[in-house]
Amino acid sequence: AQRVTQPEKLLSVFKGAPVELKCNYSYSGSPELFWYVQYSRQRLQLLLRHISRESIKGFTADLNKGETSFHLKKPFAQEEDSAMYYCALFAYSGAGSYQLTFGKGTKLSVIP
Amino acid sequence: EAQVTQNPRYLITVTGKKLTVTCSQNMNHEYMSWYRQDPGLGLRQIYYSMNVEVTDKGDVPEGYKVSRKEKRNFPLILESPSPNQTSLYFCASSLNMNTEAFFGQGTRLTVV
Repeated sequence: AQRVTQPEKLLSVFKGAPVELKCNYSYSGSPELFWYVQYSRQRLQLLLRHISRESIKGFTADLNKGETSFHLKKPFAQEEDSAMYYCALFAYSGAGSYQLTFGKGTKLSVIP
Repeated sequence: EAQVTQNPRYLITVTGKKLTVTCSQNMNHEYMSWYRQDPGLGLRQIYYSMNVEVTDKGDVPEGYKVSRKEKRNFPLILESPSPNQTSLYFCASSLNMNTEAFFGQGTRLTVV
């Protein structure tokens, strides 16, 4: 079964410092990976997906199949980046079924 | 406006009293799913549906039922709620299984 691991529950960085939110996955096939963000009192929303290879709000993420990782990075953190971040894996789960599996999330706190 | 709407937003109920949380989307999406969000556990999928009359269990289906009689609606049914089902519930929809998921605003359920 697929699994998504976000090793940090909480990450605190100073404004202007680089940010890296870690995500590792376990899946034997070709994964599709996403990062979702949940700002305070708001619904979850897609931040980026590995297929599009785009940068959203200054964030990027590269899929590393060798290390089975999809870490989220931003060179200079801003206060408005403070939020809960979830890594998610879409994959075939057997018996004709597909699932979107989320990690447990990392709360990013940017200190002014 | 394209959106996923859940009702109610907040609900307090007693053990054993059947309840339904509704979810509706206006984007003609085929894929819909329900998640529960608990501190330290992140988002866990309860049920999902790939199309009308097609539903499947997620990771934590026990104690829940769903139905998909129409494309736009995907209600979550708790036949006999218990206190361990106290949680924040999210409904999500996407055009296909591996495209961006749009989330509702969440339903905070308390079972006493």
